[in-house]
Amino acid sequence: SAVISQKPSRDICQRGTSLTIQCQVDSQVTMMFWYRQQPGQSLTLIATANQGSEATYESGFVIDKFPISRPNLTFSTLTVSNLSPEDSSIYLCSVEDAGVTLSTQYFGPGTRLTVL
Amino acid sequence: TQLLEQSPQFLSIQEGENLTVYCNSSSVFSSLQWYRQEPGEGPVLLVTVVTGGEVKKLKSLTFQFGDARKDSSLHITAAQPGDTGLYLCAGEGSSNTGKLIFGQGTTLQVKP
Repeated sequence: SAVISQKPSRDICQRGTSLTIQCQVDSQVTMMFWYRQQPGQSLTLIATANQGSEATYESGFVIDKFPISRPNLTFSTLTVSNLSPEDSSIYLCSVEDAGVTLSTQYFGPGTRLTVL
Repeated sequence: TQLLEQSPQFLSIQEGENLTVYCNSSSVFSSLQWYRQEPGEGPVLLVTVVTGGEVKKLKSLTFQFGDARKDSSLHITAAQPGDTGLYLCAGEGSSNTGKLIFGQGTTLQVKP
């Protein structure tokens, strides 16, 4: 299985600022995803990060608020822009292992964001 | 839109008790995965079930995929405090995009 790291692990930000979260994988993967999770609750998919093209966003999420970069097959960033307290959440990246035929996803440890 | 209904959402039991978590949908899934997540960590994959009627065991955990591939269950026998965590089911839909649809999650607390 892929080993995934995220930076930062947590951050406290002021309203109106932005936070960029990095996701690094130890192997090349085709599919990378970004999720949001309220503590103790389930995961909501924000977008699929596509290498070499724009991310594909889920309903309710827009590029202006959540710009995503995917410069290569091992790295992606998610920026949460113009922060408000409602953006306080855990943000997780995941990858689909290229060696697996099923949609088996492996998750990073998450980034806990608190917006004051 | 494909949905997964997971129940119960909260479960608090004594060590040694048995429990079952259910994941139901009106839609067919090509595969279904179960994850466990502990505080401060990302979800960790426990098992993937693919074939209708499939049963998989992982120590004291038994996973079953419904015959019609619309539902799944997780049964824990003689639960231990180490089983405490958030359990999530997730299904791969028919769109072949790699995206997973997650259930609401079950928070399990096993008291010693």
